[in-house]
Amino acid sequence: DAGVIQSPRHEVTEMGQEVTLRCKPISGHDYLFWYRQTMMRGLELLIYFNNNVPIDDSGMPEDRFSAKMPNASFSTLKIQPSEPRDSAVYFCASRSRGQETQYFGPGTRLLVL
Amino acid sequence: AQKITQTQPGMFVQEKEAVTLDCTYDTSDPSYGLFWYKQPSSGEMIFLIYQGSYDQQNATEGRYPLNFQKARKSANLVISASQLGDSAMYFCAMREAQGGSEKLVFGKGTKLTVNP
Repeated sequence: DAGVIQSPRHEVTEMGQEVTLRCKPISGHDYLFWYRQTMMRGLELLIYFNNNVPIDDSGMPEDRFSAKMPNASFSTLKIQPSEPRDSAVYFCASRSRGQETQYFGPGTRLLVL
Repeated sequence: AQKITQTQPGMFVQEKEAVTLDCTYDTSDPSYGLFWYKQPSSGEMIFLIYQGSYDQQNATEGRYPLNFQKARKSANLVISASQLGDSAMYFCAMREAQGGSEKLVFGKGTKLTVNP
C-alpha cells in the first residue's frame, strides 16, 4: 500500500513568494494532519482535518498560512507571502478512524531565502 | 509545563547491546495514548510502537518492548540488540483523549548513535 505522499520533497523560494505544499493521505484514512518541524520548536501540529473538514487550526502561525482539503485524497498547505522564518520541514500525516496511529509522509523541506 | 519530557538529548550504545530511551509525560486525562517514532537522517518519521493508557499489558513491537509505568508516568522505549540502522532521532509523543482532540504532542527527541 502506498503511504502518505507529499510534494514537492524540497522547495527553495525567495521571501515574498507563494508556496504550496501538497499531500495525498493513505486511502481510506479519515484524518489528515499538517505538522512543522524546526530545530527551535521541534514538531508542532499546525492543523488537522476530519473527513475533509478543518477541526483544529490553532497551531497555524498566522494569516499567511492556509490549508485546504477539497476531497478525501488531497490537501494543500499554502504560505503567502513566505518569510525566511517559515523555513522548516513540513510533514503531512493521516490516520484511520479505527486506529490510533498517525502515519507520516516523507516531508517537504522548505527553505525561504 | 512540558507534556512530554525526553531527558536524554543523545545516547551512545555498542552494536548488539540493549539501550533504553526515556520518556515521561504529564497529563490529568485518564485516557491517553503514547507513541514512539523514529526519524533517521533521511528525515522521514517512522512509527514504532503505541501504548494506550488502559492497555493491560506493555506494548511490544519486534525488538521494541515498551517499559510502561503508569504510576510513574513513564513510557521508556527499549531497543534490544541494537543495530547500526537504529542510529536515528527517537521521539516520544502523547495524545490526550479529553475533548476529543487528535493532537499529538511531541518531546524534543533523543539522538541515538549505535557504534560498531
